[in-house]
Amino acid sequence: KAGVTQTPRYLIKTRGQQVTLSCSPISGHRSVSWYQQTPGQGLQFLFEYFSETQRNKGNFPGRFSGRQFSNSRSEMNVSTLELGDSALYLCASSPDSGGGNSPLHFGNGTRLTVT
Amino acid sequence: GQQVMQIPQYQHVQEGEDFTTYCNSSTTLSNIQWYKQRPGGHPVFLIQLVKSGEVKKQKRLTFQFGEAKKNSSLHITATQTTDVGTYFCAPRGTSGTYKYIFGTGTRLKVLA
Repeated sequence: KAGVTQTPRYLIKTRGQQVTLSCSPISGHRSVSWYQQTPGQGLQFLFEYFSETQRNKGNFPGRFSGRQFSNSRSEMNVSTLELGDSALYLCASSPDSGGGNSPLHFGNGTRLTVT
Repeated sequence: GQQVMQIPQYQHVQEGEDFTTYCNSSTTLSNIQWYKQRPGGHPVFLIQLVKSGEVKKQKRLTFQFGEAKKNSSLHITATQTTDVGTYFCAPRGTSGTYKYIFGTGTRLKVLA
């Protein structure tokens, strides 16, 4: 089974721009959750999508949004980028909705640098 | 945002020494998962504990869930350089509060 695929691996953007990240979950997994990882804040939950519906959202501003398609692929969008948005963005898939007993399977992440 | 504390934050050990990281929650958990992230990599699931007082072993790794289901520990016996990385606990609460939280992580360095 193919693992979780995230594209692109690296991105360099300028302040004020917007960016879209993509995540393809493991086949059969309906849940995709997104995390921001920075050295100072660790792994911070952004949101989770399950069957095309946002199930939960973390404590991030509205500039961070996402969606999920019928094939379970998910995209995350960040608008009006700020320097502090520089981070590793990880997505994780699981068969059931987050917080359940199934482990999370993470992708390799997208390293976003905002200059 | 909400965080679950892990201690210590960093640990340097000589190869062959033991290592323990602790994960503490203020609320009762339904279960707890542990993940390992190698430098430059992504978190990888290690194990899940569900029952009060549960102890599980994976070779040199021993995972324990507290009796009150509020804390957990990961112990590595005789560390090796392959154990280098950051270990995260991922508590799963009985309410929605801790649904998606990860612990603050313990970064382990093993000196050969």
